Amino acid sequence: NAGVTQTPKFRILKIGQSMTLQCTQDMNHNYMYWYRQDPGMGLKLIYYSVGAGITDKGEVPNGYNVSRSTTEDFPLRLELAAPSQTSVYFCASIFNSNQPQHFGDGTRLSIL
Amino acid sequence: DQQVKQNSPSLSVQEGRISILNCDYTNSMFDYFLWYKKYPAEGPTFLISISSIKDKNEDGRFTVFLNKSAKHLSLHIVPSQPGDSAVYFCAAQPGDDKVIFGPGTSLSVIP
Repeated sequence: NAGVTQTPKFRILKIGQSMTLQCTQDMNHNYMYWYRQDPGMGLKLIYYSVGAGITDKGEVPNGYNVSRSTTEDFPLRLELAAPSQTSVYFCASIFNSNQPQHFGDGTRLSIL
Repeated sequence: DQQVKQNSPSLSVQEGRISILNCDYTNSMFDYFLWYKKYPAEGPTFLISISSIKDKNEDGRFTVFLNKSAKHLSLHIVPSQPGDSAVYFCAAQPGDDKVIFGPGTSLSVIP
């Protein structure tokens, strides 16, 4: 049972490039989340999804897009990378609300 | 505007002593609170939670206390062990599908 898997673990992008951060879970969880963590800060919610075909904005959605075509996958897309998007990105999932979230190990992204 | 605050960025404790990590929140509608532990280069892992209908929850060496009138919760670790050295995040759920995290407290347990 792999839990929540994020790829890649590390990536360096140039300003203006695009990329997709992958997140997949094998626990049949309904809810999935994307967070970013900046140094000395807590996790800020970017986007979340309560089920396949349903997505909603979190606290810091600008510059990102998501899709949820299957229960298992919740990719995060950066269209025009900016230095302000340098961060560590975490994906998480839960079966239903009011349960602890299961996190992946993160993607460390640097934009130069 | 931080809704979940952890005012101590770091804490050092001797092995075997008690570690007390504090968390304050601003919204009295929060009804479920969680503590997560995070090691470097790993994702956060769930540690312990408490519902607003309780004022204490215990799991082994870890106890969480909730004071609703003060909008304050604390995590007690007794006895502290070197393996407890990590960043601890306090989090709150306001009754919808989201979780709001505090900035974290870095705990160092000194052997």
